[in-house]
Amino acid sequence: NAGVMQNPRHLVRRRGQEARLRCSPMKGHSHVYWYRQLPEEGLKFMVYLQKENIIDESGMPKERFSAEFPKEGPSILRIQQVVRGDSAAYFCASSLGGTRYYEQYFGPGTRLTVT
Amino acid sequence: TQLLEQSPQFLSIQEGENLTVYCNSSSVFSSLQWYRQEPGEGPVLLVTVVTGGEVKKLKRLTFQFGDARKDSSLHITAAQPGDTGLYLCAASTDSWGKLQFGAGTQVVVTP
Repeated sequence: NAGVMQNPRHLVRRRGQEARLRCSPMKGHSHVYWYRQLPEEGLKFMVYLQKENIIDESGMPKERFSAEFPKEGPSILRIQQVVRGDSAAYFCASSLGGTRYYEQYFGPGTRLTVT
Repeated sequence: TQLLEQSPQFLSIQEGENLTVYCNSSSVFSSLQWYRQEPGEGPVLLVTVVTGGEVKKLKRLTFQFGDARKDSSLHITAAQPGDTGLYLCAASTDSWGKLQFGAGTQVVVTP
């Protein structure tokens, strides 16, 4: 499967627990974006990463959320001490970057439910 | 306030009919993307338009980018039930691809 992969597809966490969402970009892509889709709301940008660098985190909540894209392995979006308002679908997208930065290919998403 | 305004919000038509959905903004974009999203899945990229006035065709789907690069439309000819989905337009206002999305148009095509 050469597409963007995300796991898990569904994640249930109790309030106060940690959630870790993983994203493997499309083969050959080194630019990763995370978006959140809240119920009844549109897709919102969270963070843009390249290997080992956070380029733009202007859409990330200031507390409890962090993201990384290590030299080896998938990109991780981490949510600490989850609250009910974090329940949403989290999507990862990847692109080639350069002059094709705007062509982003999305994964199937992780649906986080906080109970 | 949405940067990209999509209309209509919802569209229900019979198989074989034509439909058009719109994406409008007061901002100028260097490129604009159209995606289709089905329940429980991620958005699937349909097309990118970059040149003012550009028209692109993808089988029965026709995409147009406005001359001033502020708006776009998606026209589906002879719609089929497989065209059912949430159609999203997206654009970037920076140089590295932070996409902003419209709220989407939900299209339902009934047999």
